[in-house]
Formats: sequence, C-alpha cells, structure tokens
Amino acid sequence: RKEVEQDPGPFNVPEGATVAFNCTYSNSASQSFFWYRQDCRKEPKLLMSVYSSGNEDGRFTAQLNRASQYISLLIRDSKLSDSATYLCVVTSNFNKFYFGSGTKLNVKP
Amino acid sequence: NAGVMQNPRHLVRRRGQEARLRCSPMKGHSHVYWYRQLPEEGLKFMVYLQKENIIDESGMPKERFSAEFPKEGPSILRIQQVVRGDSAAYFCASSPGSGNTIYFGEGSWLTVV
Repeated sequence: RKEVEQDPGPFNVPEGATVAFNCTYSNSASQSFFWYRQDCRKEPKLLMSVYSSGNEDGRFTAQLNRASQYISLLIRDSKLSDSATYLCVVTSNFNKFYFGSGTKLNVKP
Repeated sequence: NAGVMQNPRHLVRRRGQEARLRCSPMKGHSHVYWYRQLPEEGLKFMVYLQKENIIDESGMPKERFSAEFPKEGPSILRIQQVVRGDSAAYFCASSPGSGNTIYFGEGSWLTVV
C-alpha cells in the first residue's frame, strides 16, 4: 500500500469555482503534513502546512483528519494561475517526506 | 539568500556513460534529500543525507546509483552506466533539520540517448 494516495484527476473547473482535493495516508504515526504545488517541468513549492486545527491562507484552506487519516485542500474562487499539480506530503520520523503522485487541476476561463 | 542550487540543469548522456548531479543546499541547511521524477509520474524518494552521512537510502536502486554529501562542497548524486530508463528529473531538496519543511532546487533533467 502506498504511503500517500491522491486522486490524479484532472479536475477541470471554471474560473471562480471552488474545488477540493483529498489525500489519504497509511501511517497513523505520521507527524507533519503539507501541500506542495508543482507547475509543469518545475520544482515543487510549498503551498502550506496542514495543522490539526485546520488552517487558512487566503483562498486556500487545509484540513487534517487524523482519525480517518486524510488531508484536504480547498481552493475558493479559482484563478487561471491555480492550474498546477497539487502534491500531498506526509512525514514520518521527522526526516522522511512521502509525496503523493499529485492531483492535477485545470482552471478554465 | 540563494535557494537550493542544482547543476547541471540539463544533462545529456549516452548509454553507458556516467552522470553526476550536484546540489548545494540553502545556507544553513545541513539536510539534503534527492528525489526522482519520471515523466508524468510523482516524486520518488531516493536518499536522505546529512553532512558526511547517509541517513536513509531506501529509495536508491541497488546498483549504479550512489550519493554523497561531503564535509565541504555540494551533495553529489552519481549514476554509473546510465540506461534509457534513468532519463528523469532529479530534484534535490534541503532543510535545516528534522521536522522542518524541505525546499527544492529547480531540478536536473537527465536525458539518456
């Protein structure tokens, strides 16, 4: 079983839409959680950390559900520039970062 | 404050040659990670190093691949006798220590012809 699983998509949404991605992880002892964004042929970049209490950064909201072992990312008012692949990342033992295969988002005009 | 620096950005090698990829972590970062990304696939962990030590190499292929992070100088990922299947983007990331977020370099794109 993979450490981190994501729906590959693609999610095709119009500008202004709200879209949500989920990600599940297999290790209940996982300690830190992140969302990264990766544009085509570019390096992954940190989007936001995910905390148990949930956290928001502008149009982006991340949630963690430890009981069900999933992480979510909500994007409100989608922009064309949000088109990218979103990577769910989980760490165990504080030193190994497991990346999901990514969920592709296409925001259409 | 320079980010993670990787070079070369693009490398073309013939089958059987050696590829050497270099990574200089961000200033103050002593932890380095190497990941491989095949076309249209996700990031796959290869190796985690601290200065002069390999901490976790569970993602490294058993043969032809090696990594080091010497006391002085960049981390090196070395691929001997490259094959077509080694063609991929190789990303290096660094962090200041355990439990901290990792930051990626722009990647090295290896093409084996």
